[in-house]
Amino acid sequence: GIQVEQSPPDLILQEGANSTLRCNFSDSVNNLQWFHQNPWGQLINLFYIPSGTKQNGRLSATTVATERYSLLYISSSQTTDSGVYFCAVMDSSYKLIFGSGTRLLVRP
Amino acid sequence: GAVVSQHPSRVICKSGTSVKIECRSLDFQATTMFWYRQFPKQSLMLMATSNEGSKATYEQGVEKDKFLINHASLTLSTLTVTSAHPEDSSFYICSASSWEASKGDTQYFGPGTRLTVL
Repeated sequence: GIQVEQSPPDLILQEGANSTLRCNFSDSVNNLQWFHQNPWGQLINLFYIPSGTKQNGRLSATTVATERYSLLYISSSQTTDSGVYFCAVMDSSYKLIFGSGTRLLVRP
Repeated sequence: GAVVSQHPSRVICKSGTSVKIECRSLDFQATTMFWYRQFPKQSLMLMATSNEGSKATYEQGVEKDKFLINHASLTLSTLTVTSAHPEDSSFYICSASSWEASKGDTQYFGPGTRLTVL
């Protein structure tokens, strides 16, 4: 099956800093999504981005499907950005395969 | 739009009892619902996929007689953990999907149910 790897596994930032999270996947995919899981466990859809670049406020994402990776950029980080960021890809049977996540802590 | 609810949000039960978790799509019709399990500090693992009106498809290693899934309508799926044991303690998350031409099969996730079996 498709393998999804995320890096870094853990990240600590000072408030206001920028960061880049990476997601590599091992095969072509139908769909790629980025999620933020808040401290209460809720998964929040950030981006649906099988290819190209999208921006939403301080967050943006780029997927280069031909090279099988996606990047999530967080600018001017805030303490509320803390949590776990997951990348998930959809395989040919329409199942979402999640990466292991990047655990982000933003300190005030 | 695309809101998914779960009930209960937290449940504590005694070993040997059964627990039912509900997953509802509030503002759209979900052709497919998914159930995931997440252990502490780990990723989400798909347990099963259910389509309205048909039997669920379970992932390898998931006991279908222990985790009963019913997808009775386009807005409701239930997961029943039968004869729960402490090792079933986990965070259970459902998601729902409806076809959107511009988004493919985007899944929308519920807030999760934390199950603790004593």
